[in-house]
Amino acid sequence: AQSVTQLDSQVPVFEEAPVELRCNYSSSVSVYLFWYVQYPNQGLQLLLKYLSGSTLVKGINGFEAEFNKSQTSFHLRKPSVHISDTAEYFCAVSQRAGGFKTIFGAGTRLFVKA
Amino acid sequence: KAGVTQTPRYLIKTRGQQVTLSCSPISGHRSVSWYQQTPGQGLQFLFEYFSETQRNKGNFPGRFSGRQFSNSRSEMNVSTLELGDSALYLCASTSTSGGAETQYFGPGTRLLVL
Repeated sequence: AQSVTQLDSQVPVFEEAPVELRCNYSSSVSVYLFWYVQYPNQGLQLLLKYLSGSTLVKGINGFEAEFNKSQTSFHLRKPSVHISDTAEYFCAVSQRAGGFKTIFGAGTRLFVKA
Repeated sequence: KAGVTQTPRYLIKTRGQQVTLSCSPISGHRSVSWYQQTPGQGLQFLFEYFSETQRNKGNFPGRFSGRQFSNSRSEMNVSTLELGDSALYLCASTSTSGGAETQYFGPGTRLLVL
């Protein structure tokens, strides 16, 4: 079984400041790791994913995440946020075999202030 | 390529009724997954279909069911609706191009049960 913990439910930050959204996971099998963003009244958009290889993953909109196997973490970072980054962010894991079954964290609400 | 489409976008039903939601995946994608999103429970996996067969199932009662057609379009059905079934229902289709499995989400169907 897999589980995902997003350590912060809300993160307020000023525009142009750096931000880190934290995510820890547990799993008894190998997994893929994802970050999604959800804007109000919209579906989920993939920001980035870790499948294998380099532990530093770059995504869209200037976001990046680092996979840390020993700490079972996959934190999301952006060096300088914009007002338009205000949204809900979800960390997710999916088993590597046996089909797609994605488990999501509870979400982190990023609020960028001017 | 057209994205994942879901119909209808909004739906109002009363307790005890049943409802059918439809999802058309991205052309060429054979896996379709369904998720329920509520403020209290977050994003929860319902089930996944691949080549017309249910491959994975979440922890939902039997009132929730689904199916997939030969053209990969999928429907989910909820019978005997309860107030707690009010939610955003998201469909995702999966690409396995190059071994990199990625889910693409539709905009969702918002169901309100009165």
